[in-house]
Amino acid sequence: AQSVAQPEDQVNVAEGNPLTVKCTYSVSGNPYLFWYVQYPNRGLQFLLKYITGDNLVKGSYGFEAEFNKSQTSFHLKKPSALVSDSALYFCAVRLAYNNDMRFGAGTRLTVKP
Amino acid sequence: SQTIHQWPATLVQPVGSPLSLECTVEGTSNPNLYWYRQAAGRGLQLLFYSVGIGQISSEVPQNLSASRPQDRQFILSSKKLLLSDSGFYLCAWRGTGLRANTQYFGPGTRLTVL
Repeated sequence: AQSVAQPEDQVNVAEGNPLTVKCTYSVSGNPYLFWYVQYPNRGLQFLLKYITGDNLVKGSYGFEAEFNKSQTSFHLKKPSALVSDSALYFCAVRLAYNNDMRFGAGTRLTVKP
Repeated sequence: SQTIHQWPATLVQPVGSPLSLECTVEGTSNPNLYWYRQAAGRGLQLLFYSVGIGQISSEVPQNLSASRPQDRQFILSSKKLLLSDSGFYLCAWRGTGLRANTQYFGPGTRLTVL
């Protein structure tokens, strides 16, 4: 089955520290991978995606993600966290057979001042 | 540019009442459209998707239904709401061209069934 897993329900970091939100995937063929962010009572906002090319993908708001084929991972990173980065983050994979997407369960990021 | 709208933003309905949530997309034609439900601020459950007018695929059997009467309009309905229908309902469309392979979400509708 094609899916993504987010092993951490909650990630806490101090403002100014680097942050990592983890995602692993299980897909057949070449994966299309995505990260979204959701603020309270809002829709999901697209952050970045990996389709092909460089393993390090840069996205919105200073976020980046590293595609690692050998570890089947696509972790989201930011060098210096802001309190305003506190939100719910979703990893997603595009399904090859119908081009639609499956989302991870989400990771709640809390950045403390 | 493309935008997606949902209304209402919030809704409180009694058990057994009907439901109609609307989603419209501007700035694109023949988009793939999706309805998701999010319970308790966590994972997303795909409810329905549509590849064109009148074409609806259901992912999960339930007392909800969807319709696509126009190219850029997607409606989620129920004849009789259950308590378990409470949640945050999100509509999304799939991009084309440079935005291909990516789904873009509307602002959502918070539904509370009492």
